Amino acid sequence: DAGITQSPRHKVTETGTPVTLRCHQTENHRYMYWYRQDPGHGLRLIHYSYGVKDTDKGEVSDGYSVSRSKTEDFLLTLESATSSQTSVYFCAISGLSDRVYGEQYFGPGTRLTVT
Amino acid sequence: GQQVMQIPQYQHVQEGEDFTTYCNSSTTLSNIQWYKQRPGGHPVFLIQLVKSGEVKKQKRLTFQFGEAKKNSSLHITATQTTDVGTYFCAGRGSQGNLIFGKGTKLSVKP
Repeated sequence: DAGITQSPRHKVTETGTPVTLRCHQTENHRYMYWYRQDPGHGLRLIHYSYGVKDTDKGEVSDGYSVSRSKTEDFLLTLESATSSQTSVYFCAISGLSDRVYGEQYFGPGTRLTVT
Repeated sequence: GQQVMQIPQYQHVQEGEDFTTYCNSSTTLSNIQWYKQRPGGHPVFLIQLVKSGEVKKQKRLTFQFGEAKKNSSLHITATQTTDVGTYFCAGRGSQGNLIFGKGTKLSVKP
């Protein structure tokens, strides 16, 4: 497995609280991604990064923000968590420098529950 | 927006039977990737197809990319209990992002 870790692995939080999920890679890959996975929806892209301080929105970015101050870290923040953000969150990195043809390697996931 | 449809959603087979999952896109794809996710695990990259009509094999798994580059399939011959999991296809969207199908969940009865 690629060197990708996610923290925390599990979190329960209350509606309205801020939450930050961290993705850390040791592969020095340029591209990093945040997905959420929900039953019946598969994997949906939230945000991605193509370099330090370079990020862009994905398919389901509303309610989420990201930051990448170092190559190895990509943070996902829920400014004010809602129950609809209860999900499993996966971080991924691209295996090649060319994003168009690069396969993605996924972290172990973070299970977030918003009560 | 661009979508990748995958069928069936679920498939239950007896061990030793074959299994096929299909992936269809409304637009031409530059390439298609397949991933497997074991229960409780994370998606793991299996293979990428790039050329029109391409066929690739990995042991009992056969992957095909359609001539029009709008569809793909994954076929598993003689399933084993180790094949259990959800299989996702993912196609490249017009902006370069991967668009995942919703997956086919395979269960294998020993």
